[in-house]
Amino acid sequence: QLQLRESGPGLVRPSETLSLTCSVSGDSIRTYYWGWVRQPPGKELQYIGYIYHTVSENYNPSLKRRVTISADTSKNQISLNLKSVTAADTAVYYCARVDYDSSPALFGPWGQGTLVTVSS
Amino acid sequence: QSVLTQPPSVSGAPGQRVTFSCTGSSSNIGAGYDVHWYQHLPRTAPKLLIYGTINRPSGVPDRFSGSKSGTSASLAITGLQPEDEADYYCQSYDTSLKIYVFGTGTQVTVL
Repeated sequence: QLQLRESGPGLVRPSETLSLTCSVSGDSIRTYYWGWVRQPPGKELQYIGYIYHTVSENYNPSLKRRVTISADTSKNQISLNLKSVTAADTAVYYCARVDYDSSPALFGPWGQGTLVTVSS
Repeated sequence: QSVLTQPPSVSGAPGQRVTFSCTGSSSNIGAGYDVHWYQHLPRTAPKLLIYGTINRPSGVPDRFSGSKSGTSASLAITGLQPEDEADYYCQSYDTSLKIYVFGTGTQVTVL
């Protein structure tokens, strides 16, 4: 059974870089696309981006200048780096498998998410 | 400003039927893109509920159904159950923004 688990610091200082890892078990990350979605408190889900191991990446244009998604096939992990964070980046961050064969692509299964607070 | 708009909340008694909408525009749902729906219970992973506007993944009860017309999609729950209390989000693609977009979310309460 495919399982995803997000991990990383729960508190990040403004202007620093938010770094999260998604550990995938039950399948190889080489097989599918993998994405990140976030949900700020009281707001809707926001697409961040996806990666297809080391071959293809796609980012939300509103975050593109600050975000990088990478894949470590040796550890079967996906990572998210978001630089120059502000309070507006406070959110629950989810990783999810992306079914790119669907039109439009859909997300699932998802991890349980991890809350990241940006504060000094 | 949200791209896909949903009513903030709906409620119903056990056994009742509730429906709620996901209203988009000509650059997403109206452009012909399918809609997916997710169920999200607090402190759990969101779960795919409906894909391709009308299809249910295996294991999803047939009391959940989806539809689409014009620039809007709808999710219906017939025979509402207490375990259906959750937040529900629609998702599609916006060809103007060139991103996957989610709805504002609807909280379903079972009275």
